[in-house]
Amino acid sequence: EPEVTQTPSHQVTQMGQEVILRCVPISNHLYFYWYRQILGQKVEFLVSFYNNEISEKSEIFDDQFSVERPDGSNFTLKIRSTKLEDSAMYFCASRGPLLAETTDTQYFGPGTRLTVL
Amino acid sequence: GQQVMQIPQYQHVQEGEDFTTYCNSSTTLSNIQWYKQRPGGHPVFLIQLVKSGEVKKQKRLTFQFGEAKKNSSLHITATQTTDVGTYFCAGENNYGQNFVFGPGTRLSVLP
Repeated sequence: EPEVTQTPSHQVTQMGQEVILRCVPISNHLYFYWYRQILGQKVEFLVSFYNNEISEKSEIFDDQFSVERPDGSNFTLKIRSTKLEDSAMYFCASRGPLLAETTDTQYFGPGTRLTVL
Repeated sequence: GQQVMQIPQYQHVQEGEDFTTYCNSSTTLSNIQWYKQRPGGHPVFLIQLVKSGEVKKQKRLTFQFGEAKKNSSLHITATQTTDVGTYFCAGENNYGQNFVFGPGTRLSVLP
């Protein structure tokens, strides 16, 4: 079973600090996503990424957020100046190439719990 | 913007009883996906529905997509304690762009 990995599992930071959350998507996948989930609430879409650029982003994904795929394997989410309300679980997800048999499965990573103090 | 709603918010059943959760989108969807999230875990993909009126089964789970492609349901027959978790639907308007998740239905199964 292929899997998406994320590091760190838990990140604690001071308000105003920058954080980088890292994800390694499944190797042959082409679509990448970041979501967040505030404790006890629903999963919220942040951004999708395809062909080395952002496909779509939500209202949450403001100028404080950015994504990168710096090499062939990592996919990162940067929050430039964290706020208390950024505290949440952040999930990375990846999805396969359009024509593959398992295209439609979106695999979620285990998440990074971000705590902003 | 697009909204996805789910009912009920919570459901408590006795083991062996059936369970159904309903999902409704404010807009027509290209496809809908269902996920299960155990407490403390991450969402795990269950299935994707694409065609109008589509019905898919996975063992005790039956998924339906409405004719108008705006609503969907997940039905579990004879629940087991392993079915405990939150079930989310997620609607996609255009492939590869974004999914809008519903608020989820939290299922508790009493032995």
